[in-house]
Amino acid sequence: DAGVTQSPTHLIKTRGQQVTLRCSPKSGHDTVSWYQQALGQGPQFIFQYYEEEERQRGNFPDRFSGHQFPNYSSELNVNALLLGDSALYLCASSSSQIRGGYTFGSGTRLTVV
Amino acid sequence: GESVGLHLPTLSVQEGDNSIINCAYSNSASDYFIWYKQESGKGPQFIIDIRSNMDKRQGQRVTVLLNKTVKHLSLQIAATQPGDSAVYFCAEKPTGTYKYIFGTGTRLKVLA
Repeated sequence: DAGVTQSPTHLIKTRGQQVTLRCSPKSGHDTVSWYQQALGQGPQFIFQYYEEEERQRGNFPDRFSGHQFPNYSSELNVNALLLGDSALYLCASSSSQIRGGYTFGSGTRLTVV
Repeated sequence: GESVGLHLPTLSVQEGDNSIINCAYSNSASDYFIWYKQESGKGPQFIIDIRSNMDKRQGQRVTVLLNKTVKHLSLQIAATQPGDSAVYFCAEKPTGTYKYIFGTGTRLKVLA
């Protein structure tokens, strides 16, 4: 049973560029959350998607946007990249039918130069 | 602002000893708490959870204690093993929200 899969694993982008990160949730999960984890820090909540809509958003600018598809997979888009966007981006999935924590993917390491 | 935990401290323990990792949370309205383990190059892995109407929960080799009076959470690991070496995060979920607030974590080093 595949867990949460994220792609790509590593990415290098230039300031001002745009990036799209992808996530496939664990089988049976219908909710996807995205977190940003800077080096040496805990993950910070970006937003959560459920039923193809953004259900809650953290304190991130509008440059961060997302999408959830009918098969529950999700994308995170970041526009006008800044050096400070360099981080590990984690996707976490969960089930709306089962109360409990997330299953995290291994993340996408984004480096902005 | 929102915060859980402190700047990343390191806890070193001898193999076979018990470990206690502490966490201070800031939101008294949180109703659910989780401990996660993160190994290098991996995403956080669920260890154990506890609801705000409980003060203790035990799992296999792990125990979580919740003290709502002082907004403190702890993770106890019995008979610590080399495979327990990782960064441990506590996370809280404020009531009525879907997000988790993570702290900066504690690095656990197990000495052979």
